[in-house]
Amino acid sequence: KNQVEQSPQSLIILEGKNCTLQCNYTVSPFSNLRWYKQDTGRGPVSLTIMTFSENTKSNGRYTATLDADTKQSSLHITASQLSDSASYICVVSLNTGNQFYFGTGTSLTVIP
Amino acid sequence: NAGVMQNPRHLVRRRGQEARLRCSPMKGHSHVYWYRQLPEEGLKFMVYLQKENIIDESGMPKERFSAEFPKEGPSILRIQQVVRGDSAAYFCASSDLLAKNIQYFGAGTRLSVL
Repeated sequence: KNQVEQSPQSLIILEGKNCTLQCNYTVSPFSNLRWYKQDTGRGPVSLTIMTFSENTKSNGRYTATLDADTKQSSLHITASQLSDSASYICVVSLNTGNQFYFGTGTSLTVIP
Repeated sequence: NAGVMQNPRHLVRRRGQEARLRCSPMKGHSHVYWYRQLPEEGLKFMVYLQKENIIDESGMPKERFSAEFPKEGPSILRIQQVVRGDSAAYFCASSDLLAKNIQYFGAGTRLSVL
């Protein structure tokens, strides 16, 4: 069964600290994996996208890693800011092109 | 280049009324996806459409829900005879023909059923 699981479900960190969010998936055949940031009351916005052959991808203070062998991905946030408070969603797509599997997200709260 | 536009942003309906949610994809995009997000839950796939065709509606409830993406105009998600359980955020995403697995999301429509 194709599934995407994220952990932790929620996380509270102090401003300026780093954190790492996890995503495990069983989706196959795998095409790509995306991390989205969803602010409260907004639609998801793409942070990174990685294909099977990519191990890491950075976007500013966000760095995503992918281990296609173990089917695990992580999103590392460096020097967190208050504006990083949001839900972070991992999405895996099949290589058929039109099927997407969403994790339930990690809710991150950054406190001053 | 405007992003994916959804309207209305908020919609209030009484039980039994109809709800119509609109989605205009990004310019040049011919693929539209609809998702539902219940409070405190993740996004759930509902339907995938190309212009004038429903490609995959496996996530759509069999009754009361329908979707269309006409040759001209926005995609419409229609919910007939709404019930309280339909209250949710409905998100639309679009992609283009060459990069079907890269989606861009709209800001969503929040439906509240009284």
